[in-house]
Amino acid sequence: GAVVSQHPSWVICKSGTSVKIECRSLDFQATTMFWYRQFPKQSLMLMATSNEGSKATYEQGVEKDKFLINHASLTLSTLTVTSAHPEDSSFYICSAESGTGLSAEQYFGPGTRLTVT
Amino acid sequence: DQQVKQNSPSLSVQEGRISILNCDYTNSMFDYFLWYKKYPAEGPTFLISISSIKDKNEDGRFTVFLNKSAKHLSLHIVPSQPGDSAVYFCAASAGGGTSYGKLTFGQGTILTVHP
Repeated sequence: GAVVSQHPSWVICKSGTSVKIECRSLDFQATTMFWYRQFPKQSLMLMATSNEGSKATYEQGVEKDKFLINHASLTLSTLTVTSAHPEDSSFYICSAESGTGLSAEQYFGPGTRLTVT
Repeated sequence: DQQVKQNSPSLSVQEGRISILNCDYTNSMFDYFLWYKKYPAEGPTFLISISSIKDKNEDGRFTVFLNKSAKHLSLHIVPSQPGDSAVYFCAASAGGGTSYGKLTFGQGTILTVHP
């Protein structure tokens, strides 16, 4: 099956700094990637939809200036958490879409655990 | 507004028995439903899906049932195995009968299968 990787898998940063998380589709091209966030004991919440070559579409309540998303190529999307604060500590997961229409499938990355101290 | 709900936060089952996980949705535009299994600190892995044109889909030990009129779906695991212990998420898509497009997830149900 298709493989999606995330880097880093775990990061600790100080409050006020920025952190970049990479999401790569390793063996397929993904025109669309999604970024999710999971809080402890809560569901996976969609943060934004990232389309290659265009601006990301953010879900209601997600600060686009804080969570910068760049989808520069068909295999790479990045999420940058700017001026991170402890409340941003969470588990961030990306997914990449392979195919379109009836053949579309979403594949999830392994996730990145962010801890802001 | 929780459009996809899993009202049971946890389920405990004896090995060999059936596990039934339930999911309800409110958005009538959803036309494709998926179940994912997730271990702590890992991304979700796809289990099984069903299109709204069907009411049942089976894959090995996993069967998903869809009741459109009740906006309810369930995942049956038979027989349950200790390795099935994980968090199970149901997800819904309004992607034209596929998983195309964004997914809306339920809160998840922690399944524990006891030996």
